[in-house]
Amino acid sequence: AQSVTQPDIHITVSEGASLELRCNYSYGATPYLFWYVQSPGQGLQLLLKYFSGDTLVQGIKGFEAEFKRSQSSFNLRKPSVHWSDAAEYFCAVGAVDSNYQLIWGAGTKLIIKP
Amino acid sequence: ETGVTQSPTHLIKTRGQQVTLRCSSQSGHNTVSWYQQALGQGPQFIFQYYREEENGRGNFPPRFSGLQFPNYSSELNVNALELDDSALYLCASSLQGLGTEAFFGQGTRLTVV
Repeated sequence: AQSVTQPDIHITVSEGASLELRCNYSYGATPYLFWYVQSPGQGLQLLLKYFSGDTLVQGIKGFEAEFKRSQSSFNLRKPSVHWSDAAEYFCAVGAVDSNYQLIWGAGTKLIIKP
Repeated sequence: ETGVTQSPTHLIKTRGQQVTLRCSSQSGHNTVSWYQQALGQGPQFIFQYYREEENGRGNFPPRFSGLQFPNYSSELNVNALELDDSALYLCASSLQGLGTEAFFGQGTRLTVV
């Protein structure tokens, strides 16, 4: 069965500092991988996705993520965070053989220190 | 602006009652998925509708049911509400398959008392 683990419930970083949010998945084949962001009172917005090809994926708002098959990871990174990045971030996995339904991690809440 | 709208935004129901949540999908999208997001958790997949038929279901009991209409809008119905049904219910619309982005509505916050 597919599963997604986001080991960090909360992460606090200073504005301007770099960020890495961890995501590990469990799936027998190459999954489809996503990062979404959810701001308070807002719906989920797609940051980036990986289906195949280049393992370093660029997304919106200056985010990127790297798929590492050997580590079953898909970590999200940003070189310099802004106060507006404070939100909850979700990693999700989907697969063709599960009719594309998304399995989600529990989320990581990002707190930005001024 | 995602174009996916959900109604109502908030709802309070009593245990044992029934509730209907509505979702208007983005223009041109033929697939609607529903998710339940409990406080402090990630979304859990309830089911997906494609061209008015259910084509995928998560681990939810039959008292969770849905409909998709010819205009691709959708309803989520929950019967015999339980306290644990209190959650944010999210609707996402997309084109069938993972090649396209799923756009989410802002959700309906359901509280069961």
